[in-house]
Amino acid sequence: NAGVTQTPKFQVLKTGQSMTLQCAQDMNHNSMYWYRQDPGMGLRLIYYSASEGTTDKGEVPNGYNVSRLNKREFSLRLESAAPSQTSVYFCASSERLWAKNEKLFFGSGTQLSVL
Amino acid sequence: GDSVTQMEGPVTLSEEAFLTINCTYTATGYPSLFWYVQYPGEGLQLLLKATKADDKGSNKGFEATYRKETTSFHLEKGSVQVSDSAVYFCALSNLNQFYFGTGTSLTVIP
Repeated sequence: NAGVTQTPKFQVLKTGQSMTLQCAQDMNHNSMYWYRQDPGMGLRLIYYSASEGTTDKGEVPNGYNVSRLNKREFSLRLESAAPSQTSVYFCASSERLWAKNEKLFFGSGTQLSVL
Repeated sequence: GDSVTQMEGPVTLSEEAFLTINCTYTATGYPSLFWYVQYPGEGLQLLLKATKADDKGSNKGFEATYRKETTSFHLEKGSVQVSDSAVYFCALSNLNQFYFGTGTSLTVIP
């Protein structure tokens, strides 16, 4: 039971470099999300995808792009990394979008440092 | 807008001590409330939930009651174990988002 798989687990970038964080789920969920976790700030939503072929901005989308490649995969791209993007990134999925009783399933996270 | 406020950590307890982690919320309508737990090096996982007022969620000895009159969803456990050491997040789900608290780190010492 893999659930939600994120790669890589750790990454160090220099300012201005680009990279893509990969996420895949094997639960046939329709909705997927990218969050960032910063000390004292909880989880903040970057982007989400209600279903295959759709993406929308969350609370903190600036500096990021996303691709919902298919139903399983949802990637997050940093085009030009900045130190302010140093954070832990979590991918999550759910059967339905924003359904009140819906449970989120999370990946194990990517710890990103931008120097 | 909707929000969740939980007590600041870190919290350190001895094994078998009683645990309370406070959580209050602000929301329009009738949200569902959750506690998620994050063990070291892992992603968040659902611990328990409650979907309407006066509901009690429970799992692994943890409990929380949805109190609409005090807009609270405090997490409790009667006797903590070392294996309960983790970060606990209170969260709410409403019509257009999930909202998470800032997390409370718990360390249980033998």
